[in-house]
Amino acid sequence: NAGVTQTPKFRVLKTGQSMTLLCAQDMNHEYMYWYRQDPGMGLRLIHYSVGEGTTAKGEVPDGYNVSRLKKQNFLLGLESAAPSQTSVYFCASSYKIQGNTEAFFGQGTRLTVV
Amino acid sequence: AQSVTQLDSHVSVSEGTPVLLRCNYSSSYSPSLFWYVQHPNKGLQLLLKYTSAATLVKGINGFEAEFKKSETSFHLTKPSAHMSDAAEYFCVVSPLGGSASKIIFGSGTRLSIRP
Repeated sequence: NAGVTQTPKFRVLKTGQSMTLLCAQDMNHEYMYWYRQDPGMGLRLIHYSVGEGTTAKGEVPDGYNVSRLKKQNFLLGLESAAPSQTSVYFCASSYKIQGNTEAFFGQGTRLTVV
Repeated sequence: AQSVTQLDSHVSVSEGTPVLLRCNYSSSYSPSLFWYVQHPNKGLQLLLKYTSAATLVKGINGFEAEFKKSETSFHLTKPSAHMSDAAEYFCVVSPLGGSASKIIFGSGTRLSIRP
């Protein structure tokens, strides 16, 4: 079982460039999430999805867009990258809403914007 | 409103000695509480969770945590540290049965193990 797979694992972007991070899960989970992790700040929720075709904003959604066209995939897009978006991005999925059930995390994508 | 405070950003212990990672929370409704571990360059893995059942929760790798409502704490302990326990640990609070948007991660505690 692959679990949650993130692509790519590392990326360097120039300011203003765009990119898409892909998250794929093979556990048939309804709920998927994108977080960013910055030093000393824990994980902060960017966007999440409660099912195929749905998305919702989290704590820090500005500068990001997401799509959930297929149940197993959750895409995170940066339309015009900024240095403030340098971070480690984690995707997660869960069977139920994360509040009282375990979330499974990908290994992360380290993004540097120069 | 919810918040979670991990009281130590870094804890260092000797191998074979007890581990204590402290977490205090604030929640206006009954919380679920989790501890996750993150090894270097890896994703987060669930250690244990409290969801209003037994207040003493046992997790993987010998870790356990006790929910103390009167102290609003959920400290993580292990009787004897192993070198493989060196990692970052996150305390997480969310409303029981609540929304993903209300989940709060602590800022993390880095655990170092001295030989």
